[in-house]
Amino acid sequence: SQKIEQNSEALNIQEGKTATLTCNYTNYSPAYLQWYRQDPGRGPVFLLLIRENEKEKRKERLKVTFDTTLKQSLFHITASQPADSATYLCALGGNTPLVFGKGTRLSVIA
Amino acid sequence: DAGVIQSPRHEVTEMGQEVTLRCKPISGHDYLFWYRQTMMRGLELLIYFNNNVPIDDSGMPEDRFSAKMPNASFSTLKIQPSEPRDSAVYFCASSAEVPRSEQFFGPGTRLTVL
Repeated sequence: SQKIEQNSEALNIQEGKTATLTCNYTNYSPAYLQWYRQDPGRGPVFLLLIRENEKEKRKERLKVTFDTTLKQSLFHITASQPADSATYLCALGGNTPLVFGKGTRLSVIA
Repeated sequence: DAGVIQSPRHEVTEMGQEVTLRCKPISGHDYLFWYRQTMMRGLELLIYFNNNVPIDDSGMPEDRFSAKMPNASFSTLKIQPSEPRDSAVYFCASSAEVPRSEQFFGPGTRLTVL
């Protein structure tokens, strides 16, 4: 069955550094991958979508890569700020609805 | 647009009681999804609708769970009878197009079954 793993449950990082979150998957060939942000007590909010034929996507301080050979996506937040502290979820999609990872809780320490 | 609206935001009930969760999707969105989120299992898709028609309910855990979408602006998720293991946060989401569109999530309903 499809399996999605996000590198760790929690990641602590110093303000100003680059945060890198990992999403690995098996038994799946997604056509695209999405990243969401979830704050406590709220629903996930869409951040970025990257397609299988795209290597990299950027949006402001965010950068996502997608390596279909390694079956991995990396999510980077540059110049991280305490306001970036949240849980980040990756989700894989194709011809079927999204399948979500369990998320990585990022804490940016001032 | 107000976004996806869910009610109630919190529900506490006793085992065996019927629970009904409600969702109003974003106007114009053709797809509606019900998810359940727990620490152990993460965000799981329960069922989704396209143009008010249930397309895939394979994620519904048991016959105790049922979902309806009588019109384009309203959906319900019902649990009858409820059990303590049903305690979770239930999210409703909508999207304009599957599979490539982003999904817009509601604030969720935190359900506690005692």
